[in-house]
Amino acid sequence: AQRVTQPEKLLSVFKGAPVELKCNYSYSGSPELFWYVQYSRQRLQLLLRHISRESIKGFTADLNKGETSFHLKKPFAQEEDSAMYYCALSNNAGNMLTFGGGTRLMVKP
Amino acid sequence: DGGITQSPKYLFRKEGQNVTLSCEQNLNHDAMYWYRQDPGQGLRLIYYSQIVNDFQKGDIAEGYSVSREKKESFPLTVTSAQKNPTAFYLCASSPQVGGSGANVLTFGAGSRLTVL
Repeated sequence: AQRVTQPEKLLSVFKGAPVELKCNYSYSGSPELFWYVQYSRQRLQLLLRHISRESIKGFTADLNKGETSFHLKKPFAQEEDSAMYYCALSNNAGNMLTFGGGTRLMVKP
Repeated sequence: DGGITQSPKYLFRKEGQNVTLSCEQNLNHDAMYWYRQDPGQGLRLIYYSQIVNDFQKGDIAEGYSVSREKKESFPLTVTSAQKNPTAFYLCASSPQVGGSGANVLTFGAGSRLTVL
């Protein structure tokens, strides 16, 4: 069975501080990981995926297979980054996406 | 505001009643999904459909039913057998199952169901 764990339900940082949202997964196959974000009064949307290896809105995430982690990082948080963030794991068949419990990021001025 | 349309936005139901939540997409996506969102539990997959006239159970399918008679429509029925139906329900779609577009989900705005 595949499982995604986001240990922090709430993360509060000041503007300009670094931020790291943790995500750990368990999966016996070759994982494909995603970060989805939901800003206030907006729909849930894809932020980034590990196979793209891109930085979106200053966020990056590296897949660490040894530690089974896919932490989301940003060196300098902005107030507009405040949102709910979900880590997600896809199975090999690509037909099932399992989400973590989510972390609410609050960036204080 | 194209993409995925869910209706109704809010729904109240008495215990023992079945209710159906609508999900329509105009993205020409093959795959569609229903998730349940509860505080602190993230999103849990109820059902998914990879193609018309085919659907599969997700992690929490008990008490729910779906149909996929048309590519653009994937309605969810919450039956009286669902023991704790009060929740926020999200519909999503993706271009295809497998391949580079898989799991790049487009979400609807959601439907909030409250059982009185």
